[in-house]
Amino acid sequence: DSGVTQTPKHLITATGQRVTLRCSPRSGDLSVYWYQQSLDQGLQFLIQYYNGEERAKGNILERFSAQQFPDLHSELNLSSLELGDSALYFCASSVNGGNNEQFFGPGTRLTVL
Amino acid sequence: QKEVEQDPGPLSVPEGAIVSLNCTYSNSAFQYFMWYRQYSRKGPELLMYTYSSGNKEDGRFTAQVDKSSKYISLFIRDSQPSDSATYLCATPNAGGTSYGKLTFGQGTILTVHP
Repeated sequence: DSGVTQTPKHLITATGQRVTLRCSPRSGDLSVYWYQQSLDQGLQFLIQYYNGEERAKGNILERFSAQQFPDLHSELNLSSLELGDSALYFCASSVNGGNNEQFFGPGTRLTVL
Repeated sequence: QKEVEQDPGPLSVPEGAIVSLNCTYSNSAFQYFMWYRQYSRKGPELLMYTYSSGNKEDGRFTAQVDKSSKYISLFIRDSQPSDSATYLCATPNAGGTSYGKLTFGQGTILTVHP
C-alpha cells in the first residue's frame, strides 16, 4: 500500500458526460501528479500540482482540468467524455516536486460507453 | 525518437533465473531513474530509485545506470512466479515547465513460470 488513495475504483459513464476523480496523497506529500494509462499510449503525464498551485502540464486535453485543495487532496475533472478517454487514471504523490520518488495510487478505471 | 525506450517483450523465464530488463534514454540531462513494477490492473509500485552511475542493490533487485551509454538496467536474481508483472523504467524531467513529470518507457511484460 503506497499510502495514496483514489476514488472511485471504477467508473462507467456515457459519451458527453462529466466525471470527477479524487486523489488523496500520502501524508506529508505536497505534490500531486495525474497520469493516464491506455493500452496504446502507455503511461502519460497529465498535470502536476504542488501545494495548491499548478506546477507542470503535459498533454492534457482542454476538456480535462484539475485542482489541488488546501487539504492537499486533488480532483481531476473530465468533461464531454469521448470513447477514447476510456483508460486507467493514476494519481501519484511526492514530498516536493522535481526529482523525488513518486508513489502511485491504485487508479481509477474509466469506461466511456 | 522516444525519450525513453524499453523493449516491451514479452519475456518468459523459468523460476530461479536471472532476469535482465533494460531501457535506453536520449536526453543526457536525465539524472535520476526509477523502476516500477505494475501488476495487472494495479498501480505502479516503486522498486528502485537511483541517481548516479553504478549499481544499487535491494534484496534480489539490482539497478544499474550507465550514463555514458544512456543505458539503465534492472536485474532480478532468483526470479519467482510472484515477480510476473510489467516493469517500467522512468525518469523525471530535469527542469523547465515539465519539471517533475515522469517519462516512462513502454514497459516490459515479464512472466516467471514454475
